[in-house]
Amino acid sequence: GAVVSQHPSWVICKSGTSVKIECRSLDFQATTMFWYRQFPKQSLMLMATSNEGSKATYEQGVEKDKFLINHASLTLSTLTVTSAHPEDSSFYICSANRGTNSPLHFGNGTRLTVT
Amino acid sequence: AQSVSQHNHHVILSEAASLELGCNYSYGGTVNLFWYVQYPGQHLQLLLKYFSGDPLVKGIKGFEAEFIKSKFSFNLRKPSVQWSDTAEYFCAVIGGGATNKLIFGTGTLLAVQP
Repeated sequence: GAVVSQHPSWVICKSGTSVKIECRSLDFQATTMFWYRQFPKQSLMLMATSNEGSKATYEQGVEKDKFLINHASLTLSTLTVTSAHPEDSSFYICSANRGTNSPLHFGNGTRLTVT
Repeated sequence: AQSVSQHNHHVILSEAASLELGCNYSYGGTVNLFWYVQYPGQHLQLLLKYFSGDPLVKGIKGFEAEFIKSKFSFNLRKPSVQWSDTAEYFCAVIGGGATNKLIFGTGTLLAVQP
């Protein structure tokens, strides 16, 4: 079945540094991928929609200059948290599907801790 | 704006008890509805989905959900829970016109006591 791979699964970084998270669709092409963030004891919140070959669409309240999204190929989207701060510590999850009305497949998530 | 509400944030049941988790959404048009489950330490998995047709949807592991359009609801049910059902359950909706933009509820943490 379709698999979405996310890397790294866990990262610790110092405040002020940048962290890149990769999301790959392993056996299908995904023109659209989605990035979510989950704070402890809260629901998943959609951050942005990543579109292959074009700019990402960000949800209200998400800083596009802080959370850089690049979808350079049909199987890879990256999320870069720039100048990370402790409040950016969270669980970031990506998802993708084959097309409209197909189930979303989720990556295993990336636990980001900013010290 | 579309929204999804889950009424129960934390549910504790004994094994063999019946389960019903509430989910209501706010969108007047055509919707696609989902229930996802996240077991401890694992990633999200799809339990079941509704796109059209029979409003009573059967999913994996004995779960089912009923789409009641008049009530804007999509409650999740299971007649007899097991300890292994301990997990967090998320209801989600895609409203018409928003391509694959999945909106999640806040989740319900289910703890099943053996």
